[in-house]
Amino acid sequence: ETGVTQSPTHLIKTRGQQVTLRCSSQSGHNTVSWYQQALGQGPQFIFQYYREEENGRGNFPPRFSGLQFPNYSSELNVNALELDDSALYLCASTPTTGGYQETQYFGPGTRLLVL
Amino acid sequence: GIQVEQSPPDLILQEGANSTLRCNFSDSVNNLQWFHQNPWGQLINLFYIPSGTKQNGRLSATTVATERYSLLYISSSQTTDSGVYFCAFDNYGQNFVFGPGTRLSVLP
Repeated sequence: ETGVTQSPTHLIKTRGQQVTLRCSSQSGHNTVSWYQQALGQGPQFIFQYYREEENGRGNFPPRFSGLQFPNYSSELNVNALELDDSALYLCASTPTTGGYQETQYFGPGTRLLVL
Repeated sequence: GIQVEQSPPDLILQEGANSTLRCNFSDSVNNLQWFHQNPWGQLINLFYIPSGTKQNGRLSATTVATERYSLLYISSSQTTDSGVYFCAFDNYGQNFVFGPGTRLSVLP
């Protein structure tokens, strides 16, 4: 148990739809990062939020967007779903940012299937 | 960007056997970590190992930063050790960059 929770655990959508995934950070952690993990690959960084602002972004198109709330929980929104968006989506929280991180604490993930 | 390689890509062991997993990186990295992802997808940090050697029970890790590699040792493997092992490094405090992983299957 890492103290990071995600919902829902599984989700099935059709191409073109929109989806919202949710993450609750570990208590006291003000930074959340989102990763996409395709089958058989390592997690790929989508973006990071620190104190409700985007703090860095990986190589993902603008239809991937996010929010962080004052209680540090977070949402990942994906518009115009494509088949290749099928993946495990992981969120991870850390206590701070601005410097190197000793580790990130990962949630159990949301498995998204796009048909 | 910095490239991360892991070997072997797949490993099948009989319960009780020992194994060594390797992670090579193409340049100096910060905050090298080892993670285990269980078959249900949960990713757990095993070691924060920028250099030197650490041990935790049946697992130990060694990083030789000057030679840009890290090793993860698993002794007396158990079926619960099955899953994927990733090494990863901190990309300037923003995110972790993960290697491709080693998939371990421990048979009873």
